[in-house]
Amino acid sequence: EAGVVQSPRYKIIEKKQPVAFWCNPISGHNTLYWYLQNLGQGPELLIRYENEEAVDDSQLPKDRFSAERLKGVDSTLKIQPAELGDSAVYLCASSLGDRGLETQYFGPGTRLLVL
Amino acid sequence: AQSVTQPDIHITVSEGASLELRCNYSYGATPYLFWYVQSPGQGLQLLLKYFSGDTLVQGIKGFEAEFKRSQSSFNLRKPSVHWSDAAEYFCAVGLSSNTGKLIFGQGTTLQVKP
Repeated sequence: EAGVVQSPRYKIIEKKQPVAFWCNPISGHNTLYWYLQNLGQGPELLIRYENEEAVDDSQLPKDRFSAERLKGVDSTLKIQPAELGDSAVYLCASSLGDRGLETQYFGPGTRLLVL
Repeated sequence: AQSVTQPDIHITVSEGASLELRCNYSYGATPYLFWYVQSPGQGLQLLLKYFSGDTLVQGIKGFEAEFKRSQSSFNLRKPSVHWSDAAEYFCAVGLSSNTGKLIFGQGTTLQVKP
């Protein structure tokens, strides 16, 4: 069974440029999560989708970040414009459901460097 | 507010020695507790989880963890560490049965000496 797929794995951009990250969850997983992981820290939830609906986006900085999951399968996270402080690893995870006991399966992440 | 504390940022143990990684949480209700491992350049992999029942939980790769409600702790243990266990370990708490939101600790980096 294929795991969570993310692309690109690495991205280097200049500040004020836009950037997008793509995630394809495990087949059949209805719930998709985007996390931000700063260096030396644990992941922090940015947004959670249940199918195509964003059910928790309270931690997403909506002035510059946006996300979509149009068909309830793969998802895109966008930053426009990027700032130096956005340099981090962006992790995608998926789970069968959204209950607290569901295991979340993580992708390898996209490492973003903003210059 | 809910929080997870991993007091040890970095731990070094010799191969074959025992290991204990500490995790303390702050949460008003019965928590769902998880331990994940992250190898360099890899995503997080679940080692084990606790929801209810037996407070000693067995996981993959020979790891176990014990939930102690009185101490608000969920420490991870392994009796004999292998060089391949070198990685970063994250403790996390799930906030409720109705949401998959996890709060992660800042992680503990494990180094294994030959």
